[in-house]
Amino acid sequence: GESVGLHLPTLSVQEGDNSIINCAYSNSASDYFIWYKQESGKGPQFIIDIRSNMDKRQGQRVTVLLNKTVKHLSLQIAATQPGDSAVYFCAENRGGGFKTIFGAGTRLFVKA
Amino acid sequence: EPEVTQTPSHQVTQMGQEVILRCVPISNHLYFYWYRQILGQKVEFLVSFYNNEISEKSEIFDDQFSVERPDGSNFTLKIRSTKLEDSAMYFCASSFTGGRNEKLFFGSGTQLSVL
Repeated sequence: GESVGLHLPTLSVQEGDNSIINCAYSNSASDYFIWYKQESGKGPQFIIDIRSNMDKRQGQRVTVLLNKTVKHLSLQIAATQPGDSAVYFCAENRGGGFKTIFGAGTRLFVKA
Repeated sequence: EPEVTQTPSHQVTQMGQEVILRCVPISNHLYFYWYRQILGQKVEFLVSFYNNEISEKSEIFDDQFSVERPDGSNFTLKIRSTKLEDSAMYFCASSFTGGRNEKLFFGSGTQLSVL
């Protein structure tokens, strides 16, 4: 069925290294993609988004890459810090709908 | 920065009881949502609400669930007769343009425990 999913459930990186979190989606009709960060006891917080007419978008220390050919999304975090430790969700919004569909989540651990 | 607020933060109820979860969305937002997250799992869409009516709902959102915007600031989720499997973290979210091209702002959630 249609789904947004993640390749790895956990990722452990050394402080200062770059992190890459991957996500696969299956619905080619999806036209808007978002990465959310969820810290313990909190709701998801927006990190960065990208529309389907783009293949890369950069924010502050974060970059999202979209490969529509293989329906793949990634989040890159530069110079990962302890405060980046959280669960990261990719999410998609499908054209014509109101709902945002979340993937399974990747837990990022940052080692000092 | 404006934020979505949810009350209570924790709710414990007996199976079969009714619960109402409350949310105050960001004041100039027009679209409102409820999501839930069972412990350790992904965030699941329940319902979206716009212009005083449901715009979309998931298969989870059955007849036991209802939403209401009783006044200009609150947005509520009611579960009429709670089941054990309703135990989850419930998140309210809001957006200005409806989520197709815009991020959602989430509250901190209400942890519902059904005993």
